[in-house]
Amino acid sequence: DGGITQSPKYLFRKEGQNVTLSCEQNLNHDAMYWYRQDPGQGLRLIYYSQIVNDFQKGDIAEGYSVSREKKESFPLTVTSAQKNPTAFYLCASSVGPDGYTFGSGTRLTVV
Amino acid sequence: GENVEQHPSTLSVQEGDSAVIKCTYSDSASNYFPWYKQELGKRPQLIIDIRSNVGEKKDQRIAVTLNKTAKHFSLHITETQPEDSAVYFCAARTSGGYNKLIFGAGTRLAVHP
Repeated sequence: DGGITQSPKYLFRKEGQNVTLSCEQNLNHDAMYWYRQDPGQGLRLIYYSQIVNDFQKGDIAEGYSVSREKKESFPLTVTSAQKNPTAFYLCASSVGPDGYTFGSGTRLTVV
Repeated sequence: GENVEQHPSTLSVQEGDSAVIKCTYSDSASNYFPWYKQELGKRPQLIIDIRSNVGEKKDQRIAVTLNKTAKHFSLHITETQPEDSAVYFCAARTSGGYNKLIFGAGTRLAVHP
């Protein structure tokens, strides 16, 4: 079953803690993306990667970090520098100039 | 910077009526415009897309139109059904060699039986 998998589905973070969101795809897509979704707002781009070992900052990269060591994987770390991390995080992948395939998302809450 | 504006933010229609959602983009070099439907708590799903060399595209009850001169594109849903209720996002691909999509803020569509 090909697709893009995000885990965990729900994640709770304490103040000052770093947490990592997982995104794995078996679609053989070159490009992967992380978006943040807040209520009443669209999807805002955090980071994206066109190929392995390369990634670029999106519009709201501050307080986040990523790595792209394997084609299938694009984990996102939410660092303690991100002051308002509570949101729904969506990972996506694409091949060529077509639309994205999205994962099912991770809902992160600060406790 | 690049942005996409989407209107209205909420839309309420009776079952069987038509619904229209409009988007305007800022990057005149944008060449690809997808529309996504997101049901509550679920992932966005691509429902239709259009490229800049086409003015209109239709798929059953859904159609998208593009006006490159005015830099706006619209989603049209005819004969709406309760299962069309969801949040709809438009997007535009930016220029510059990356397949990077900029999304609108979304439209919450409610179809009442």
